[in-house]
Amino acid sequence: QKEVEQNSGPLSVPEGAIASLNCTYSDRGSQSFFWYRQYSGKSPELIMSIYSNGDKEDGRFTAQLNKASQYVSLLIRDSQPSDSATYLCALRMDSSYKLIFGSGTRLLVRP
Amino acid sequence: SQTIHQWPATLVQPVGSPLSLECTVEGTSNPNLYWYRQAAGRGLQLLFYSVGIGQISSEVPQNLSASRPQDRQFILSSKKLLLSDSGFYLCAWTGLARSTDTQYFGPGTRLTVL
Repeated sequence: QKEVEQNSGPLSVPEGAIASLNCTYSDRGSQSFFWYRQYSGKSPELIMSIYSNGDKEDGRFTAQLNKASQYVSLLIRDSQPSDSATYLCALRMDSSYKLIFGSGTRLLVRP
Repeated sequence: SQTIHQWPATLVQPVGSPLSLECTVEGTSNPNLYWYRQAAGRGLQLLFYSVGIGQISSEVPQNLSASRPQDRQFILSSKKLLLSDSGFYLCAWTGLARSTDTQYFGPGTRLTVL
């Protein structure tokens, strides 16, 4: 079983809709969670980090963490074509220097 | 603010040739440094990480090596490149405390081995 699982997509949504990206993980020792966005040919850029159960909002983005169910999600409200990219979920386990990345979900926002 | 640089941006090398990719970080001290490789259409593969000068941890046994000669400099090397070494090489840094454990990526080096 992979440590971080993401649906590879593509997830296709119309412009203005809510895009929901999901990530599940296997290790209950995971402490920190991150969402990165990666445009084709570019390096990943951080969207949000989340450390505690619940929701964290930043502009159009909301990260949701549920440690009991071992999932983290990213909601993008009012999706724009410029949001079309691959979204990477990552986590850091306690006492580890390393991040473990999922393989990413490709999001396509249709104009 | 912190900045991370990588060079070169692109590189085309013949099979069997040597490789040296460089990564430097500005605006922070004693960062943790990481090298990743991303094959076309694939996820990120952690190659090496370093928590200090001269301290290198290898994640994947292969023909690549890494060195950290200075606090904010991280170098990825190979003596003889293979076709399978082609990919997008990313350097990343992070701080030490939980509040700074986010990894930030450099712009990357796209390597094509022919």
